[in-house]
Amino acid sequence: QSALTQPASVSGSPGQSITISCTGTSSDVGGYNYVSWYQQHPGKAPKLMIYEVSNRPSGVSNRFSGSKSGNTASLTISGLQAEDEADYYCSSYTSSTPYVFGTGTKVTVL
Amino acid sequence: EVQLVQSGAEVKKPGESLRISCKGSGYSFTSYWISWVRQMPGKGLEWMGRIDPSDSYTNYSPSFQGHVTISADKSISTAYLQWSSLKASDTAMYYCARGVVTLAADYWGQGTLVTVSS
Repeated sequence: QSALTQPASVSGSPGQSITISCTGTSSDVGGYNYVSWYQQHPGKAPKLMIYEVSNRPSGVSNRFSGSKSGNTASLTISGLQAEDEADYYCSSYTSSTPYVFGTGTKVTVL
Repeated sequence: EVQLVQSGAEVKKPGESLRISCKGSGYSFTSYWISWVRQMPGKGLEWMGRIDPSDSYTNYSPSFQGHVTISADKSISTAYLQWSSLKASDTAMYYCARGVVTLAADYWGQGTLVTVSS
C-alpha cells in the first residue's frame, strides 16, 4: 500500500484560505468515506482535525473543513492564523492494510 | 479524559531487544483498537499495525510484518510494541493511538523515542 500523495508545502498569509490535497486510489480515498486529517506541530503528537471526510471532532475550529472528489480528498483552512503553521497528514481506510497515511504537507503562514 | 501514556525514551544497541508500552485510561480499553505509528527523524507518519485489546487480534502493515510484535494486556489497559533484534534503522519516534475499525487514530500518546546506536 503506497502512501497517499500530498504537496510537500503550502503557504498563505494570515486571513487567507489554503487547501491541501490528498490523492489516492479507488482502493482507499476513492473507495471509502473514511478520510481523516491530522495536524502535527514540531515536537508534538499528531492531533485529529477531520474524520470521515468532513466531520470535525469536538473542540476543533470550524475554520478547518474537509471534502472529497473521486480519489482526491482536500483539507481547507480558512482565516489562516499563525497557530495553523504545522505539518498536516491525511489518512484513509483501505481495502488492504487497513490504514494508510499521506506523505505530509508543511503549512507555512507568511 | 481519554489519555494514552507511553513509556520513556530508550537508547539501545543493534541486536538488542526492546518492548515499549502504551497505557490507556479514561475510556473502555477493550472498546477501541490501539495502533502503532512510526515517525523516522524528519519524516512522515507510517502506520505499523494495530491490536484489538478485547481479543488480541492483530493486523500489520506488510512493511512491518515480521519485524515487530504488537500485544496487549487488557487487565492493565496496556498495549505493547516489541522488537527481538533492533537495527539502527529502527531509530524513530513511535506513537500509539486509539482508533476504531475505520479510523486509525482519534487520540494519540505522547510518543516514545527509540534510538539504536552502537
